[in-house]
Amino acid sequence: GNSVTQMEGPVTLSEEAFLTINCTYTATGYPSLFWYVQYPGEGLQLLLKATKADDKGSNKGFEATYRKETTSFHLEKGSVQVSDSAVYFCALFSGNTPLVFGKGTRLSVIA
Amino acid sequence: DADVTQTPRNRITKTGKRIMLECSQTKGHDRMYWYRQDPGLGLRLIYYSFDVKDINKGEISDGYSVSRQAQAKFSLSLESAIPNQTALYFCATSDSGGPYEQYFGPGTRLTVT
Repeated sequence: GNSVTQMEGPVTLSEEAFLTINCTYTATGYPSLFWYVQYPGEGLQLLLKATKADDKGSNKGFEATYRKETTSFHLEKGSVQVSDSAVYFCALFSGNTPLVFGKGTRLSVIA
Repeated sequence: DADVTQTPRNRITKTGKRIMLECSQTKGHDRMYWYRQDPGLGLRLIYYSFDVKDINKGEISDGYSVSRQAQAKFSLSLESAIPNQTALYFCATSDSGGPYEQYFGPGTRLTVT
């Protein structure tokens, strides 16, 4: 079946550090891939997406590239801010079923 | 106004009580979902509905039931609440015609004492 594996947290970084959160997937066919962000006390918001191999999704300084050869969709940001502190979820859509989510990675950025 | 709304936002109830959580959306989407979030366990799907006449169980449906009253409304019921149903509950919607991302409500924090 379809599944998503993302790195376990928590991840703690200093402000302006480089961020990578790893995400790999298993899916039949050609899935669409997503990153969601959950700020404290809020619901999940779509951060970025990619619908086919080699697509790069980007938003708010975050980027992720759909790598079919390594079945990965790693989230990166060049310089994190305190306001980026949140929980990040990787997810996939394939085969007309509900999105499959990873377990989430908590990021804390300290000034 | 928010596209996906949930009521109530917070609820404290006692063991054995029946409780209903409601979700409404103005996005015009045909698909709706209920999830539960517990610390360290991510999101777990309870039920989903691809249209008004379609209801499907998710991975943790035991102890829960749902009703799709209209395209825009999807409610979740706990028939007899128990303490391990204390969690954060999210409703979400998506469009069957794509794109396939889901849009989430703000959540309901439920505490069962």
